[in-house]
Amino acid sequence: DQQVKQNSPSLSVQEGRISILNCDYTNSMFDYFLWYKKYPAEGPTFLISISSIKDKNEDGRFTVFLNKSAKHLSLHIVPSQPGDSAVYFCAASGAGSYQLTFGKGTKLSVIP
Amino acid sequence: GAVVSQHPSWVICKSGTSVKIECRSLDFQATTMFWYRQFPKKSLMLMATSNEGSKATYEQGVEKDKFLINHASLTLSTLTVTSAHPEDSSFYICSARTGGVSSSPLHFGNGTRLTVT
Repeated sequence: DQQVKQNSPSLSVQEGRISILNCDYTNSMFDYFLWYKKYPAEGPTFLISISSIKDKNEDGRFTVFLNKSAKHLSLHIVPSQPGDSAVYFCAASGAGSYQLTFGKGTKLSVIP
Repeated sequence: GAVVSQHPSWVICKSGTSVKIECRSLDFQATTMFWYRQFPKKSLMLMATSNEGSKATYEQGVEKDKFLINHASLTLSTLTVTSAHPEDSSFYICSARTGGVSSSPLHFGNGTRLTVT
C-alpha cells in the first residue's frame, strides 16, 4: 500500500507561470514532509520541507503548503523556469523515524 | 552545505561478479546512512539502513546476503552487490542525515548506475 502518493506522473507548464505539484499521504503518523528535485542520472537534491506544526513554508520561488486534515501537501513554484524541469519527489517521515517514504515522483517540464 | 559523495557513478560488470559502491559523507559524520534503489518509473525504495559499527537493517524483501553493507567508519558506508545478475541492474543511491533527529533533510549522493551484462 502506497503511503505517499503523487498521482500526476508528469506536468507541463509554460515558463513564467506557476507550477503546482501535489502529494497525498495516508499515514497519520507522518509529521515531517520534504520535497526533493532529481535530474536524470543524479541523486535527489533537497528542496524544501515543512513540519506538521506549520501549514506553509516559503523559500524564494518555492512554497510548500500542508493541509493536515486532508493529508495533502503541494509544492508551488513561481515563476517557473526551464531549469526547474526535473522529477520532483514528495517524501514523508514521522514518529522519530529516520526513514523517509517517497512518492513515485512527478516529472515537471517547463516550456520556454 | 553537507555533501555526500558516491563512487563510482556508473559501473558495468559481468553476471556473477561482485560490485562495491562507496558512500562518503565529506564534511560531516554520519552514524546512519541509507541505501536506496530506484526502479524505472517508480519511487526510491529504501533497501537498508546502515549503522556505523553494527549490522545494517534491511527492508523486507531485500536479500542481505546479496546486498552486503558495511559501515566501518562515521564517514563511509559501502554496498556490495554480490554475484550480480542482470535483474540487479539499477540506480543505487546512498544518503545520510546531518542532524541526529528525524526532522532534518537527507542528503543524497549522486547515485551509481549499475549495469550487469
